[in-house]
Amino acid sequence: GNSVTQMEGPVTLSEEAFLTINCTYTATGYPSLFWYVQYPGEGLQLLLKATKADDKGSNKGFEATYRKETTSFHLEKGSVQVSDSAVYFCALANAGGTSYGKLTFGQGTILTVHP
Amino acid sequence: DAGVIQSPRHEVTEMGQEVTLRCKPISGHDYLFWYRQTMMRGLELLIYFNNNVPIDDSGMPEDRFSAKMPNASFSTLKIQPSEPRDSAVYFCASILSDSIPLNEQFFGPGTRLTVL
Repeated sequence: GNSVTQMEGPVTLSEEAFLTINCTYTATGYPSLFWYVQYPGEGLQLLLKATKADDKGSNKGFEATYRKETTSFHLEKGSVQVSDSAVYFCALANAGGTSYGKLTFGQGTILTVHP
Repeated sequence: DAGVIQSPRHEVTEMGQEVTLRCKPISGHDYLFWYRQTMMRGLELLIYFNNNVPIDDSGMPEDRFSAKMPNASFSTLKIQPSEPRDSAVYFCASILSDSIPLNEQFFGPGTRLTVL
C-alpha cells in the first residue's frame, strides 16, 4: 500500500535559516504529491503540489521537486520567518481507481522559527 | 466562498454521552473526508464519501463511531457512547473531482473534542 515517511521533528531554526524537511514515499502507479501546512489552531491547507516526475511545486518561498528515481519530495525554503512556524505534512494521492481522492499523510513535522 | 464549515468548534462532554460533529463541504464538491488528529497517532482518515455514498470506512475505530451524509451539503460524525480516548481534533475536508491532476483537499477548521 501507499506510505509516506517524513523526517523526525521537531525542527527548530533561527529566522533566515535554510529549511529542509525530508519526505519519501512508497506508492503504486504515479501518485500526486503534496505538502500541507497546519498553523496553530487551524485546519490543514495546501502549501504546494506536484503531479508528475520532475515537477517543482512552489509557493510562499517554499519549493519541492517530485523525484521519482529517489521517491522523494523534500520541502525547502531558503530563508524562514517566524510566521512559518507550523506543522508540515507530506502527502500523496492516487488519481484513479477506488482510492481516488484519498490522501496518505506523513506523520507531520513541527517547525519552530525563533527571531 | 465560505470554505468547509464545521460545528461546533469545541465540544466538552462526559464519558458515555453522545457526541455529534457536523460538516458542510464547499458547494459543488463531491468528495467528503473525516479525519481525526491526535498527538499519539497523528492524522487518521476515518471515512470518506463520494456523492453522499460512503466509499471507505475502514478507518472508523469501532462501532461507537458512525457517519452519515444525507445530502451533498451536510455530513455528521457521531460517537455513542463517547470515551476519554476519543478526545482529539476532528477535521472534515472536501474536494471536487472534476479533473486530473487531482484537486486539493480543502480542510475545515476542525472540532476539538474533549471527553472527560
